[in-house]
Amino acid sequence: DTEVTQTPKHLVMGMTNKKSLKCEQHMGHRAMYWYKQKAKKPPELMFVYSYEKLSINESVPSRFSPECPNSSLLNLHLHALQPEDSALYLCASSQVAGQETQYFGPGTRLLVL
Amino acid sequence: AQSVSQHNHHVILSEAASLELGCNYSYGGTVNLFWYVQYPGQHLQLLLKYFSGDPLVKGIKGFEAEFIKSKFSFNLRKPSVQWSDTAEYFCALTLYNQGGKLIFGQGTELSVKP
Repeated sequence: DTEVTQTPKHLVMGMTNKKSLKCEQHMGHRAMYWYKQKAKKPPELMFVYSYEKLSINESVPSRFSPECPNSSLLNLHLHALQPEDSALYLCASSQVAGQETQYFGPGTRLLVL
Repeated sequence: AQSVSQHNHHVILSEAASLELGCNYSYGGTVNLFWYVQYPGQHLQLLLKYFSGDPLVKGIKGFEAEFIKSKFSFNLRKPSVQWSDTAEYFCALTLYNQGGKLIFGQGTELSVKP
């Protein structure tokens, strides 16, 4: 089973709201990733967690705050977002954080008003 | 900086036509190469990958790709496309010792006319 699940599927939030995106995998993978994808564009890497530790932060604004509570779960906490942050947020996982195949979830489509 | 280049932004084909999508990368070291597909309204799915060995790799749904190291290319092919192949196709790579960063090309939108 190569399934990565994400909740919610859709999210609408105001610029003063605080919300969280959730991602889960049960493949025993030890690397998890957050990507941001705008329409008609490729995914852009935001964060990488390796063995529950943040290993890569691609200079993402602090209004995005990742968290990895355990090896199966990955959260992305959102606070004071801007309309330009509206996008599809994708979670992925791989066996380890190297050159392994990454498996993607369906994404959360976020709209910031 | 390392990059992935996909030559065609939008390809339009009729059913049963042959497909070849170009992908070139700029990096002189060891790479792993991938093709992902994103069907309308669906998530990214792995079509095929190349890590080492036989440079001609076969993937799902009749797709194949050929790694040509001397040309830094990893082109995707399918002998006969179907309407259901309409999707966005992304070429991507990971580099040795880069912590898992997946570098994507800009994508090619494929439209297949029935």
